[in-house]
Amino acid sequence: GESVGLHLPTLSVQEGDNSIINCAYSNSASDYFIWYKQESGKGPQFIIDIRSNMDKRQGQRVTVLLNKTVKHLSLQIAATQPGDSAVYFCAENIRYTGNQFYFGTGTSLTVIP
Amino acid sequence: GAVVSQHPSRVICKSGTSVKIECRSLDFQATTMFWYRQFPKQSLMLMATSNEGSKATYEQGVEKDKFLINHASLTLSTLTVTSAHPEDSSFYICSAREDRGNYGYTFGSGTRLTVV
Repeated sequence: GESVGLHLPTLSVQEGDNSIINCAYSNSASDYFIWYKQESGKGPQFIIDIRSNMDKRQGQRVTVLLNKTVKHLSLQIAATQPGDSAVYFCAENIRYTGNQFYFGTGTSLTVIP
Repeated sequence: GAVVSQHPSRVICKSGTSVKIECRSLDFQATTMFWYRQFPKQSLMLMATSNEGSKATYEQGVEKDKFLINHASLTLSTLTVTSAHPEDSSFYICSAREDRGNYGYTFGSGTRLTVV
């Protein structure tokens, strides 16, 4: 379910390197996940989504991996750029509970030029 | 692409007054909209699901009488923070789910509320 109000973990990477951001969820009934990017003072921006009948989905420079066995989701960003610096959240939709999404803790990504 | 407009972007109000925040879907219809609250360096917390033409569904622990939600049309939902107090100061964000197409979710740019 619901997001937990913990302080954000941080990740720093060199420009050009690949970034991996992780997310754990607890509800086995979660069947749809979205990764969002949030820049300071702005609303979340859609990056990529994945449904529970998939293990992997690729977008432009981003890949999402879903491991339902251990309830783990990851976002991989290839060739990270300074513009990728932001806070990244995974959000989950729980089957049969409606259309609402619950957000994970989030990770603050800083790209070092 | 789908755009959600949230207004105002910033508001400062005196303790005890009420503040209304608007969330509009500009180029699509949204029967369902969502209101979130976010404290600094923390995640988004879902407050309520707003349904056009019916009562909002509030998450556990969210006071209905404190956070009034009205979804009077397919493109507009409003959140009113009643009798605001300093602890209500936060970043409030709405999102709207498209009724058609890919049923995507689009977020507004948020409202920074400061209660003094």
